[in-house]
Amino acid sequence: AQSVTQLGSHVSVSEGALVLLRCNYSSSVPPYLFWYVQYPNQGLQLLLKYTSAATLVKGINGFEAEFKKSETSFHLTKPSAHMSDAAEYFCAVSGGYNFNKFYFGSGTKLNVKP
Amino acid sequence: GAVVSQHPSRVICKSGTSVKIECRSLDFQATTMFWYRQFPKQSLMLMATSNEGSKATYEQGVEKDKFLINHASLTLSTLTVTSAHPEDSSFYICSARVQPHGETQYFGPGTRLLVL
Repeated sequence: AQSVTQLGSHVSVSEGALVLLRCNYSSSVPPYLFWYVQYPNQGLQLLLKYTSAATLVKGINGFEAEFKKSETSFHLTKPSAHMSDAAEYFCAVSGGYNFNKFYFGSGTKLNVKP
Repeated sequence: GAVVSQHPSRVICKSGTSVKIECRSLDFQATTMFWYRQFPKQSLMLMATSNEGSKATYEQGVEKDKFLINHASLTLSTLTVTSAHPEDSSFYICSARVQPHGETQYFGPGTRLLVL
């Protein structure tokens, strides 16, 4: 079985500050991991994904995430927040025999203060 | 590439009527599409997996007769909410995989349904 936990439903940072959004997963098989961003009243846009290649994954808009098997984590970071980063972020896991399914975390809303 | 569209983006209907939502893959063929439901301030809940040319696979607790899914072509899946009620009001999002075994799902912009 697979599941995702996102710690912190709301995260607030100042513009220019480091962004850290936490994601821990549970999977009985090697997982594929994803981060998506959702702007109000819109669908989800893929930020980045881990599919068993390099553990440090770089995505769009300056985001990156590191897969840490020992910690079952896939935290999302960005060195310097921009106002346009304010959105909701979802971590998802899939893999194993039930390859179709994505299991989403509950989401983290990022607020960027000027 | 990998663009998914949905139509309509917003729909308001009366209780008891049926509403059809279309999901299209614009620049690729999608043998598998997915339908999600998202309540305000909540995460996405997978409703069903739509396979081209075969019956959809519904998640536990999702009424098959209530949410009819048709995946008649490699670029189009439709979700029909039958006899809609106010509790069906929600944000419906579809996604599609680029390849039959592709690991990434690409999402449509969503459809806001309001049932009065």
